[in-house]
Amino acid sequence: DSGVTQTPKHLITATGQRVTLRCSPRSGDLSVYWYQQSLDQGLQFLIQYYNGEERAKGNILERFSAQQFPDLHSELNLSSLELGDSALYFCASNPQGAGGYTFGSGTRLTVV
Amino acid sequence: AQTVTQSQPEMSVQEAETVTLSCTYDTSESDYYLFWYKQPPSRQMILVIRQEAYKQQNATENRFSVNFQKAAKSFSLKISDSQLGDAAMYFCAYFRYNNNDMRFGAGTRLTVKP
Repeated sequence: DSGVTQTPKHLITATGQRVTLRCSPRSGDLSVYWYQQSLDQGLQFLIQYYNGEERAKGNILERFSAQQFPDLHSELNLSSLELGDSALYFCASNPQGAGGYTFGSGTRLTVV
Repeated sequence: AQTVTQSQPEMSVQEAETVTLSCTYDTSESDYYLFWYKQPPSRQMILVIRQEAYKQQNATENRFSVNFQKAAKSFSLKISDSQLGDAAMYFCAYFRYNNNDMRFGAGTRLTVKP
């Protein structure tokens, strides 16, 4: 157990639907990062939150949004889902000032 | 923007042998971190080894070691005494503290032959 918790582990939904992925960082970590990994692809950075505020944005689609709550858990909202959104979505966290992320086990999203 | 390049999409090694995975990166910064992550078939991302750029000594973690060449912007991973459990995708990653954003290479798929 890495200490970063992601739920659900698997999600199957239809095109056009909306889903919410949840992440709880390691205790004490203020930063949360979201990454998307399509089949046999590398990791694409989506967005970062630090202590409730958006800190950096990567290749995140307008249909996607995220937020970090006061208890530091984060949610990634994916709407108007398309087949191409099927992927593994990772959340990661790291302590302030430290290099290296600890990853959650990911949420595998399948859009049918 | 910082980029990370892994030029070997696939590598294979015989069990108990040694293999080296290559990684180069592009940056104008002097203070950063470099990492190797392992992603086995379970798809979990596992940190293998990290290197702080200010340290000249190459990092070592048991059978895993790196060859960090800062001037050449090269960061290779050597796996000694390869085991079947080492079979995985390996990602090289660059992290710049002030930017607080990690960039990953495309990955190298390592196969270990018994």
